[in-house]
Amino acid sequence: IAGITQAPTSQILAAGRRMTLRCTQDMRHNAMYWYRQDLGLGLRLIHYSNTAGTTGKGEVPDGYSVSRANTDDFPLTLASAVPSQTSVYFCASSDTSGGTDTQYFGPGTRLTVL
Amino acid sequence: GQNIDQPTEMTATEGAIVQINCTYQTSGFNGLFWYQQHAGEAPTFLSYNVLDGLEEKGRFSSFLSRSKGYSYLLLKELQMKDSASYLCAVMDSNYQLIWGAGTKLIIKP
Repeated sequence: IAGITQAPTSQILAAGRRMTLRCTQDMRHNAMYWYRQDLGLGLRLIHYSNTAGTTGKGEVPDGYSVSRANTDDFPLTLASAVPSQTSVYFCASSDTSGGTDTQYFGPGTRLTVL
Repeated sequence: GQNIDQPTEMTATEGAIVQINCTYQTSGFNGLFWYQQHAGEAPTFLSYNVLDGLEEKGRFSSFLSRSKGYSYLLLKELQMKDSASYLCAVMDSNYQLIWGAGTKLIIKP
């Protein structure tokens, strides 16, 4: 693994189903983030984690939950998917211990909720 | 509220120069980032400015004026592969990134 990986690449999901998007990084970054990207809008932060064991809410957290059991993994769960959650989801990570806090992104998951 | 403004779309000619502007109003400022995003791909980091002035990196340069809440990304010697969206993002007082909607750059031969 090099960088950040996300799975699945794409998914079609029936409304009401539960879904977990996976994200793994091998850069030993302390901070991780989940964004959604919709046409015509900027990236919007869903949840973040500054370090393993802690999480925080972003701009659009409703309907989503996250956990950070270790440094490398940061899964995003949709408990009961709704069509408005159709989007492209990006996971990112950064080293906030010094420097610029530059965020590096995974390849994304394209989710369609019908 | 917090706001990042950048043009929705720009068109330029291969070999030319293009400047993409970004204005921002945020609660606090801890740096401004530019990312490139090709269609269907993830954003990739281009540049970071935290002090006023110009940062040059090859064909790409980024400028910041904190007093004016303004930045631009300058792309020289445009190539067809530069066709992409360019995202401006500001790190606010909580060290969270606030993102613009992106500027789609179309390069014509």
